Amino acid sequence: GQQLNQSPQSMFIQEGEDVSMNCTSSSIFNTWLWYKQDPGEGPVLLIALYKAGELTSNGRLTAQFGITRKDSFLNISASIPSDVGIYFCAGQGGSEKLVFGKGMKLTVNP
Amino acid sequence: GAVVSQHPSWVICKSGTSVKIECRSLDFQATTMFWYRQFPKQSLMLMATSNEGSKATYEQGVEKDKFLINHASLTLSTLTVTSAHPEDSSFYICSAGLAGNIQYFGAGTRLSVL
Repeated sequence: GQQLNQSPQSMFIQEGEDVSMNCTSSSIFNTWLWYKQDPGEGPVLLIALYKAGELTSNGRLTAQFGITRKDSFLNISASIPSDVGIYFCAGQGGSEKLVFGKGMKLTVNP
Repeated sequence: GAVVSQHPSWVICKSGTSVKIECRSLDFQATTMFWYRQFPKQSLMLMATSNEGSKATYEQGVEKDKFLINHASLTLSTLTVTSAHPEDSSFYICSAGLAGNIQYFGAGTRLSVL
């Protein structure tokens, strides 16, 4: 099935550093979602974006819906050890189905 | 936030048996629920869309007779893996849709078929 291009695939950072990740698509989406998944758990919603150009924050997380509607990025500032996990972007077009990126594995060294 | 409960969290079964996984939306009604499969170190793969009161819509390549889905009420959908075999071993995750097209996910079910 269709997948989004999510990059980078993994990152190793020191505690306190910022991290950025992005997703791109060949298709236009109406909604962009960012999820975090811990090992053996289901994804947990971090941020939802509904409008092109929208910039939304949730604590140390900031995400933007690209103006072309084909991309989105997520920033995490001042990382902490509990930020480790896999981050997925997901896009939603005309139907309720979500298209997922391949995920970005984040490791934070204390 | 919306809570989706999935049960069981882990099941081990013998080859040839059937396994039922439940997905419940605890504090909201969901006319649509989704079932995903996830292999290790991979992304989520949509298996089917479960609609309350009607037949599920399966993604291409997913055997509907193998993976039976029932959405009996606005808060419950079940996935039954029939005649399970070792290649069916995987992590199965459900989600329920809420207003604004947001999907909230259950905690997943780890299925191991011996």
